[in-house]
Amino acid sequence: KAGVTQTPRYLIKTRGQQVTLSCSPISGHRSVSWYQQTPGQGLQFLFEYFSETQRNKGNFPGRFSGRQFSNSRSEMNVSTLELGDSALYLCASSFGYSSTDTQYFGPGTRLTVL
Amino acid sequence: AQTVTQSQPEMSVQEAETVTLSCTYDTSESDYYLFWYKQPPSRQMILVIRQEAYKQQNATENRFSVNFQKAAKSFSLKISDSQLGDAAMYFCAYRGNNYGQNFVFGPGTRLSALP
Repeated sequence: KAGVTQTPRYLIKTRGQQVTLSCSPISGHRSVSWYQQTPGQGLQFLFEYFSETQRNKGNFPGRFSGRQFSNSRSEMNVSTLELGDSALYLCASSFGYSSTDTQYFGPGTRLTVL
Repeated sequence: AQTVTQSQPEMSVQEAETVTLSCTYDTSESDYYLFWYKQPPSRQMILVIRQEAYKQQNATENRFSVNFQKAAKSFSLKISDSQLGDAAMYFCAYRGNNYGQNFVFGPGTRLSALP
C-alpha cells in the first residue's frame, strides 16, 4: 500500500505570494491532519479533516486554510506569505479521527519564503 | 491546555548500549494517549510506540519500551541494544481521548548513535 504523498517536496516563494500544498493519504484513510514544523516552534497542529469536514483547527491565523476532497486528498493554502511561514509542512493520514487511529506521516513540503 | 516537555535537546548512545529519553506532560484529563514518534534525517516521521493512559502495563515494541508513570505525568522511552539506525529526532506526543482533541508534540530530542 502506498504511503502518504505530499507535493511539491520543495517550494520557494516570496513574501506576499500565496501557496497551495497537496497531500494524498494512504488508500482507505479518511482523516488528514496538517502540521507546521519549525526549529523554533517545533511541531504545531494546523488542522484536521475527516470526510471533507474540518474537525479541528490549531491556533494559526486565517491566512492558513485547507480543504479535503471527496477522495480524501487534502490541500492547504497559505495566503500573503510571511518570512515566518518558512517551515516543513507535514501531512498525516489515519483511517479515522479517533485517538486510537495511528497517524502516518508524509515526507513533508519544505517551504522557503524569501 | 496540555503541554509536553522533553528536557533533553540532544542525547547520544553507543551502539549496543541502552538509552532513555525523557518526557513529561501536563493535563487535567484522565483518559488520553501518549506516543513516541521518530523522525530520521530527511525521512518521514514514524510511530515508535503508543501507550493508553488507562493501561497500567508499559507498552513494548521490540527494542523500544516505555516507563509510564501516570501520577508523575512522565512517559520515558527506553531504547535497548541501540543501532546506528536509531539516530533521529524523537518526539513525545499527547492526544486526549475527548472529541476534537488534536496532537500536542514536545520539542524533540535529537539522538545520535555512535559506533
